[in-house]
Amino acid sequence: NAGVTQTPKFRILKIGQSMTLQCAQDMNHNYMYWYRQDPGMGLKLIYYSVGAGITDKGEVPNGYNVSRSTTEDFPLRLELAAPSQTSVYFCASSGTEQETQYFGPGTRLLVL
Amino acid sequence: GQNIDQPTEMTATEGAIVQINCTYQTSGFNGLFWYQQHAGEAPTFLSYNVLDGLEEKGRFSSFLSRSKGYSYLLLKELQMKDSASYLCAVSDSNYQLIWGAGTKLIIKP
Repeated sequence: NAGVTQTPKFRILKIGQSMTLQCAQDMNHNYMYWYRQDPGMGLKLIYYSVGAGITDKGEVPNGYNVSRSTTEDFPLRLELAAPSQTSVYFCASSGTEQETQYFGPGTRLLVL
Repeated sequence: GQNIDQPTEMTATEGAIVQINCTYQTSGFNGLFWYQQHAGEAPTFLSYNVLDGLEEKGRFSSFLSRSKGYSYLLLKELQMKDSASYLCAVSDSNYQLIWGAGTKLIIKP
């Protein structure tokens, strides 16, 4: 039982490039989330999903896209990377909206 | 707007007790979570309060007062491994977590 896994661990992007951050969970959780964490600030919700085929915007969705074709996977797509997207990205999952969220190890992204 | 406040940094001595406070103003309340985050790692769940009062879990306890919009995390018998950031998060009316910026706890021998 690996829990929540994320790849890659670290990535450097040039301005304007695109990439996909991968997230998978093996706990059969319906709810999955993408957050970004910037120094001195709380985690900010980018997108979330309540089940396969259903996604919704969080607090800071601009510049990102998501899809949820299976219960297990919830990739985050960055289009046209900008320096403002330099951050640590965490994926999380929970069984229901009321339950504890479990986090993946994070992806550190640097946009230069 | 929604707001979670907690001290930026605290210092304590190994073996001592420390209390980390969290105050919140949110649109609705469906519970308050405390997470621990070691540097360079993911947040891990510590405690959950939805009713007023104290929840005890080993060396860690968490208290909630909904009428005051206030919670604290109490850590007893501090160990060096407790050096970490402690994140307070409130579940709002839409069950979305609103996060504080975290309190960095430094433990000195």
